[in-house]
Amino acid sequence: DIQMTQSPASLSASLGETVTIECLASEDIYSNLAWYQQKPGKSPQLLIYDASSLQDGVPSRFSGSESGTQYSLEINSLQSEDAATYFCQQHHDYPYTFGAGTKLELK
Amino acid sequence: EVKLLESGGGLVQPGGSMRLSCAASGFTFTDFYMNWIRQPAGKAPEWLGFIRNKANGYTTEYNPSVKGRFTISRDNTQNMLYLQMNTLRAEDTATYYCARSTRVGIWFAYWGQGTLVTVSS
Repeated sequence: DIQMTQSPASLSASLGETVTIECLASEDIYSNLAWYQQKPGKSPQLLIYDASSLQDGVPSRFSGSESGTQYSLEINSLQSEDAATYFCQQHHDYPYTFGAGTKLELK
Repeated sequence: EVKLLESGGGLVQPGGSMRLSCAASGFTFTDFYMNWIRQPAGKAPEWLGFIRNKANGYTTEYNPSVKGRFTISRDNTQNMLYLQMNTLRAEDTATYYCARSTRVGIWFAYWGQGTLVTVSS
């Protein structure tokens, strides 16, 4: 199975700041990576797929990038509604696997 | 509007069986791969498997973690997706989601609201 190592496990940031969440794949996944946002009691919501393609309706302050097997989600100009847990997911090969999650708290 | 609605969760004893259902609407059901994903409380989601679309013969793939115990099926006349779970264990306790893949890749733009399965005596 492809392992997705996500970091940090949690972070705290202020409104208007920029934060970065990372996922390291255990092997090459050829940009086949998605990012999700999940709020308590809700289903995950797709933010980004193919490492950097923004899902329809997702604010442009969310962006994805890659460097080798390291993938990043950047959130610019943090808003209060961005407080959530974020997961990465590789969609290169089955079993499709998720990162352990990053809980983002707004100060 | 795409809608996915799971049902069938609840409390089951270890070693028991349960079948979950997912009612799909708002899209051409036979065109899409359909997936089951579960998420224990406070943990990451885990992809369980999918059933392919009509063009790919409705075949299935499973996560090795559940292969042989879980079976995914679909009723294309009713736009229903199913997950049959056998020999349930405490570690199968989770919220179970159905999710639709896209036409070009296995990422999940549409999820149901989830149904909670608790395996306990």
